[in-house]
Amino acid sequence: TQLLEQSPQFLSIQEGENLTVYCNSSSVFSSLQWYRQEPGEGPVLLVTVVTGGEVKKLKRLTFQFGDARKDSSLHITAAQPGDTGLYLCAGATTDSWGKLQFGAGTQVVVTP
Amino acid sequence: DAEITQSPRHKITETGRQVTLACHQTWNHNNMFWYRQDLGHGLRLIHYSYGVHDTNKGEVSDGYSVSRSNTEDLPLTLESAASSQTSVYFCASSLGTDLTDTQYFGPGTRLTVL
Repeated sequence: TQLLEQSPQFLSIQEGENLTVYCNSSSVFSSLQWYRQEPGEGPVLLVTVVTGGEVKKLKRLTFQFGDARKDSSLHITAAQPGDTGLYLCAGATTDSWGKLQFGAGTQVVVTP
Repeated sequence: DAEITQSPRHKITETGRQVTLACHQTWNHNNMFWYRQDLGHGLRLIHYSYGVHDTNKGEVSDGYSVSRSNTEDLPLTLESAASSQTSVYFCASSLGTDLTDTQYFGPGTRLTVL
């Protein structure tokens, strides 16, 4: 089982600050997804990255896949209270047949 | 709109009882998954199915079973509930096995075993 480690486990910041969440593994993944989960709800997909070095932007969120496809980062610029949530990374390999390996998640709290 | 629903949303049961959690999706997806979410562990895969009459064990399948008699439903059964199975359970579905396929999650069932 490939393990995905996320850091930090918890992040509390003020509105307007920037933050970065990391997802690391010793294994290579063919694709990496980021999900956000709000209290009492299931995770919702934010983005999928598949190419080493790939960078994707979603409004104030920037996602990067490491060159070796073993790590990924999520950067939020000028965080807002609506960004509060649990951020989960999930990896897949060509032989995982649709199954995902999830990290433990990073809880982000943005206070006004 | 297509959706994935779970019932009940909350369940309290006693040790040793059999419990079944329902999952229903209207996406017409081939794949369905059951996860449990515990603090510090993220989402761990319990069972999954690639289609009708297909079921497979995930990484934490002991004490759980599933059956897939149609495309829409994948009920999860706890044969004899244990306190260690107190958790939040999520069902998810996806169309296929492409690396970019999205998993769509239900709202979760919070199960407490006393």
